[in-house]
Amino acid sequence: DTGVSQDPRHKITKRGQNVTFRCDPISEHNRLYWYRQTLGQGPEFLTYFQNEAQLEKSRLLSDRFSAERPKGSFSTLEIQRTEQGDSAMYLCASSGLDGDYEQYFGPGTRLTVT
Amino acid sequence: QKEVEQDPGPLSVPEGAIVSLNCTYSNSAFQYFMWYRQYSRKGPELLMYTYSSGNKEDGRFTAQVDKSSKYISLFIRDSQPSDSATYLCATSRSGTYKYIFGTGTRLKVLA
Repeated sequence: DTGVSQDPRHKITKRGQNVTFRCDPISEHNRLYWYRQTLGQGPEFLTYFQNEAQLEKSRLLSDRFSAERPKGSFSTLEIQRTEQGDSAMYLCASSGLDGDYEQYFGPGTRLTVT
Repeated sequence: QKEVEQDPGPLSVPEGAIVSLNCTYSNSAFQYFMWYRQYSRKGPELLMYTYSSGNKEDGRFTAQVDKSSKYISLFIRDSQPSDSATYLCATSRSGTYKYIFGTGTRLKVLA
């Protein structure tokens, strides 16, 4: 068990560019979550998947954001036409069986939009 | 009003002290509570998970939930400099796996 992994760890991009992040959950976990964290704040929920189904999305997830989990394993989060306000740490977490509320986080992807 | 309130600190204590970290929440439907530790520029690390009211102990850590006052606490005994980090509380209600986090409390344990 290698834990949740995220790639890349850091991304610097220019405003207006598209970026994509990847998350690999703990192998036996069927739920996967995306959160965003800005400096001095706690993580804010963006969306979560149970297997390949996206079951809940936050109002924070504007139409520039899209998340997928095509085969119920890894997930990608894409941000189109990035804005400076998108600069944040993007965190992925996973959890296991139904009724299991413990969420385990990855190291995060730090995005800087210049 | 935020759904979860947490004093941002920083909280400075001498090595060996007992640390008390606290959060309050507003929604009585919240039933699941977690505490995370986060070092600078790292992902949050799960410390404690509790369901409903009561206490849970794990080594030097004790989590306490008082649903009647909507108050959750994390106690750290024999604090160490390596405990210096930001501590985040999080809560969720039944039927959703969306967690609401506090802003985090920065703890500094001085050697």
